[in-house]
Amino acid sequence: GNSVTQMEGPVTLSEEAFLTINCTYTATGYPSLFWYVQYPGEGLQLLLKATKADDKGSNKGFEATYRKETTSFHLEKGSVQVSDSAVYFCALSDDTNAGKSTFGDGTTLTVKP
Amino acid sequence: DTEVTQTPKHLVMGMTNKKSLKCEQHMGHRAMYWYKQKAKKPPELMFVYSYEKLSINESVPSRFSPECPNSSLLNLHLHALQPEDSALYLCASSRGTGGGTQYFGPGTRLTVL
Repeated sequence: GNSVTQMEGPVTLSEEAFLTINCTYTATGYPSLFWYVQYPGEGLQLLLKATKADDKGSNKGFEATYRKETTSFHLEKGSVQVSDSAVYFCALSDDTNAGKSTFGDGTTLTVKP
Repeated sequence: DTEVTQTPKHLVMGMTNKKSLKCEQHMGHRAMYWYKQKAKKPPELMFVYSYEKLSINESVPSRFSPECPNSSLLNLHLHALQPEDSALYLCASSRGTGGGTQYFGPGTRLTVL
């Protein structure tokens, strides 16, 4: 079956620091990969996605590249802000699983001024 | 309009009450989902509706009863809940069930006394 393994948190950084949150996956089909972000008290929002190998998703300064050879989709941002403090979920879905998405456990990021 | 709305935002109920959660989307999506999310955990899938028919029930107790009156609306009827059912209930929708992006609502924070 499908699975997603995310870097354990919590992660605490100073403003303007470089961020990496690791995500690796196993999948039986050809999945699409996603990063969702959840701000306190809110639902999940799509941050970025990639639908095939070597695609790079990007949004709001965040980037992630779909690496099939290493089955990874690591999230990076060059300079984090306090407003980036949130929980980040890596996820995958494919057309073999009737709409089910598989989520990682989430990584809590806190950015301090 | 890329918004999924959920009502109410907060709900407190006793174990003998009957209440309903509502979800609405106007993106023309044909798949809708209910998730349960405990604090600091990823969302857990409960139900999937595809073209207004229940396609996945993740062995959810019968005290949770989903309903999809039309392609834009999704309800979750609650009856005789337990305190351990207290959680954030998230609704989501997607274009289909073929592995695409899910759009989440803000959630209903449920407390069972």
